Amino acid sequence: SAVISQKPSRDICQRGTSLTIQCQVDSQVTMMFWYRQQPGQSLTLIATANQGSEATYESGFVIDKFPISRPNLTFSTLTVSNMSPEDSSIYLCSVQGSGNYGYTFGSGTRLTVV
Amino acid sequence: AQSVTQLGSHVSVSEGALVLLRCNYSSSVPPYLFWYVQYPNQGLQLLLKYTTGATLVKGINGFEAEFKKSETSFHLTKPSAHMSDAAEYFCAALTANDYKLSFGAGTTVTVRA
Repeated sequence: SAVISQKPSRDICQRGTSLTIQCQVDSQVTMMFWYRQQPGQSLTLIATANQGSEATYESGFVIDKFPISRPNLTFSTLTVSNMSPEDSSIYLCSVQGSGNYGYTFGSGTRLTVV
Repeated sequence: AQSVTQLGSHVSVSEGALVLLRCNYSSSVPPYLFWYVQYPNQGLQLLLKYTTGATLVKGINGFEAEFKKSETSFHLTKPSAHMSDAAEYFCAALTANDYKLSFGAGTTVTVRA
């Protein structure tokens, strides 16, 4: 299965600023997924990122708040913009494995907004 | 999209006791089913998955799960809990022809010495 390197692993940010999270995959993948996990909660899909096209956002998430880049088949970034304390969460990227429907997850970025 | 229900947000077991985590899905069409584990301050690790074939699926770390279509369930078990099993466990489902995983709310497992 694919190996994902996600960084930063954690950060403490001031409200009103932005943070960009990076995910690097060791193999080419068609789709990459970005999730948010709020404290004590399950995972919520933010958006799906395909190379060469704009990301597809789920209900409740907008591009202005969570811009995503997907410049090639092994890399994606998620930016959390104009942060507020409510954005304090773990953000995870994920990719779909080939053929066996196994999804691999990055180790997550633990974001605290103060 | 699938709806996944995990019964029990918190399970506490004694070391050496059976671990049973319950998961039900909502679909008349059997989905692909997954169990993930999340250790503190880490990402998600796939424990096991059911796609087709044998309904009893064995995963890593001694865990197994049984797909029961008649009960729309995919409960996770481990015969003997170890302290290292303390973690958050998520059940997830994926419908064929879809690509979005639906997650349950998660179950936190604590293991008592």
